[in-house]
Amino acid sequence: DVKVTQSSRYLVKRTGEKVFLECVQDMDHENMFWYRQDPGLGLRLIYFSYDVKMKEKGDIPEGYSVSREKKERFSLILESASTNQTSMYLCASSLWGQGDIDEQFFGPGTRLTVL
Amino acid sequence: AQSVAQPEDQVNVAEGNPLTVKCTYSVSGNPYLFWYVQYPNRGLQFLLKYITGDNLVKGSYGFEAEFNKSQTSFHLKKPSALVSDSALYFCAVRDTNTDKLIFGTGTRLQVFP
Repeated sequence: DVKVTQSSRYLVKRTGEKVFLECVQDMDHENMFWYRQDPGLGLRLIYFSYDVKMKEKGDIPEGYSVSREKKERFSLILESASTNQTSMYLCASSLWGQGDIDEQFFGPGTRLTVL
Repeated sequence: AQSVAQPEDQVNVAEGNPLTVKCTYSVSGNPYLFWYVQYPNRGLQFLLKYITGDNLVKGSYGFEAEFNKSQTSFHLKKPSALVSDSALYFCAVRDTNTDKLIFGTGTRLQVFP
């Protein structure tokens, strides 16, 4: 079974702090994604990566950056946390499509609270 | 713009009754459609997908979904609901321009004993 793990289930930070959210997948997937989930808004894509050292902006990249130094690991960075970044953050991975359409596999999520 | 809509925030159904969770989409070209479920304090789990072929797709936990091209819908169904089916359900469509998934806002399913 594909396993996607996230470094923390719950995290509390203060405004202005630099925050790192880590995600690791164990199935050699090329694609990795970071979403945030907010009530009434569903999932919104922050950043994604198709390969090591590659990254592309999603729909709401402002205030975030990412790092993918190894294939299995995709980090989300909040450079200076703000209260409006309080949310549930979900990491996902998938195989490269190559003509097939593969589903994404999600981690358990990190609920981040910024005070 | 390509999009997906889940018109119901919440669906309530009695255990043993059939359930339907609605989803409509708007994409250019052939749609690739997905359903995910999120149980409390968990990440999303894949239920089923429609790529091509038979309009009735069977998935995990006894769920199925019916693709209707003329109505641009992909409703999730189950013949007999269980209390354990209570969860948040997300429909998603693949954006044919960017290959990214576009998620709906989610529908909370509540199954009462």
